[in-house]
Amino acid sequence: TQLLEQSPQFLSIQEGENLTVYCNSSSVFSSLQWYRQEPGEGPVLLVTVVTGGEVKKLKRLTFQFGDARKDSSLHITAAQPGDTGLYLCAGGGANSGYALNFGKGTSLLVTP
Amino acid sequence: EAGVVQSPRYKIIEKKQPVAFWCNPISGHNTLYWYLQNLGQGPELLIRYENEEAVDDSQLPKDRFSAERLKGVDSTLKIQPAELGDSAVYLCASSLGGASGYNEQFFGPGTRLTVL
Repeated sequence: TQLLEQSPQFLSIQEGENLTVYCNSSSVFSSLQWYRQEPGEGPVLLVTVVTGGEVKKLKRLTFQFGDARKDSSLHITAAQPGDTGLYLCAGGGANSGYALNFGKGTSLLVTP
Repeated sequence: EAGVVQSPRYKIIEKKQPVAFWCNPISGHNTLYWYLQNLGQGPELLIRYENEEAVDDSQLPKDRFSAERLKGVDSTLKIQPAELGDSAVYLCASSLGGASGYNEQFFGPGTRLTVL
């Protein structure tokens, strides 16, 4: 099993602050995905990154895939209460039989 | 387009009782997954189907858990008998599968199981 470590595990910030969460592994992934999960719902895919060094932006969210394709970061600018949720990274690809390995997630709380 | 449908959304049973969960994936998605998610944790794969074939069930506790996807569309996950430690959210996901992409998975809302 290819392990993904996410940090921090918990994060509580005020509206308007910036934050970065990290996803690290000793394994190389063909692709890495970020999901957000709200209470009582299933994870929802935010982005897929596939190329080392790739940067993708989704409104106030910026995702980066490490050059070696072993790690990734998610940066949120000017966080809003609607960003509250569990952020999960998941790595996969042909080497893992197209299955995904999920990290334990970063639980984010943004207060007004 | 309808997303992944799961039922029931919530289930409360006493230990040693059987329970079943149902999942209908997105139309055209060949790959179906069942995950277990404990509170504050990421999903853990239980079983993965490619069409009607279970291609990865290495993490499924086969003494009490079983799953089927007879016609390669919807699927049922069963626990018999349930134990206290089975209390969790059971998520179903689907994807196009194979070499058709980067395995982007779409999740249902999950079934929250409480075993008393």
